[in-house]
Amino acid sequence: QKEVEQDPGPLSVPEGAIVSLNCTYSNSAFQYFMWYRQYSRKGPELLMYTYSSGNKEDGRFTAQVDKSSKYISLFIRDSQPSDSATYLCAMSQNGQNFVFGPGTRLSVLP
Amino acid sequence: DGGITQSPKYLFRKEGQNVTLSCEQNLNHDAMYWYRQDPGQGLRLIYYSQIVNDFQKGDIAEGYSVSREKKESFPLTVTSAQKNPTAFYLCGSSGAGSTNEKLFFGSGTQLSVL
Repeated sequence: QKEVEQDPGPLSVPEGAIVSLNCTYSNSAFQYFMWYRQYSRKGPELLMYTYSSGNKEDGRFTAQVDKSSKYISLFIRDSQPSDSATYLCAMSQNGQNFVFGPGTRLSVLP
Repeated sequence: DGGITQSPKYLFRKEGQNVTLSCEQNLNHDAMYWYRQDPGQGLRLIYYSQIVNDFQKGDIAEGYSVSREKKESFPLTVTSAQKNPTAFYLCGSSGAGSTNEKLFFGSGTQLSVL
C-alpha cells in the first residue's frame, strides 16, 4: 500500500460545478496537510495548508482533514476553466519530510 | 520579489555529461529540497538540506549530488551515473516563523537527454 493514495483522474466537470478532490493516507502520524495546484510544466502552487484535523476555507476553496479516517479533501466551489490543472496533496509528520500523492488532473469545461 | 528561482527552465544533457541545476531562494528559509517529477507520478525526494553545509539523501539520491554552501543556494548536479535523467526537477524550500512547515516551490527545470 502506498503511503498516500490519490485518484489520478482525469476528472472533467462543467463550469460552475462543485469539485471534490480526495487523498487517503496510511501514516497516522501525519499532522500537516497541504494541497497544491500545478499547471502543466510549472511549479506547484500552495493552495491550502491545514494543521491536524478540521476545515479551512479560503475563497472558493475548502480543505477538510479527517484524521480518524485518514482522509483529506479539497472542495472547489463555482469551478472555472482556469481551475483546470493537476492537484497534488501532500502531508508531513514533522513539517520537514513531505510525502506527495500522484496528483489528480482536473478539467473544467466552459 | 520574494521567491524561489530555478534555472535554466530547459536543459539538455549529452550522454556521459554532468549537468547542474540552479536553485536560489530569498525567503530566508532554512530547509531546501530537490524533487523529481515524472509524468503521472508524484514528487520523489532526491536530496534535502535543513542547514548550511549539511544535507541528506532522499528516496532516489543515486546519480545525483548537491551542495549547500550558502543558505540561499542549493544546486543539484545530475551526474553521468544517473541513467534515466529525463524528468521535471523541482526545488522547494520551507522555513521558520509563520510559514514554518509550508513547502514552497520554484518554477521547475525540464531536463532532457540528447
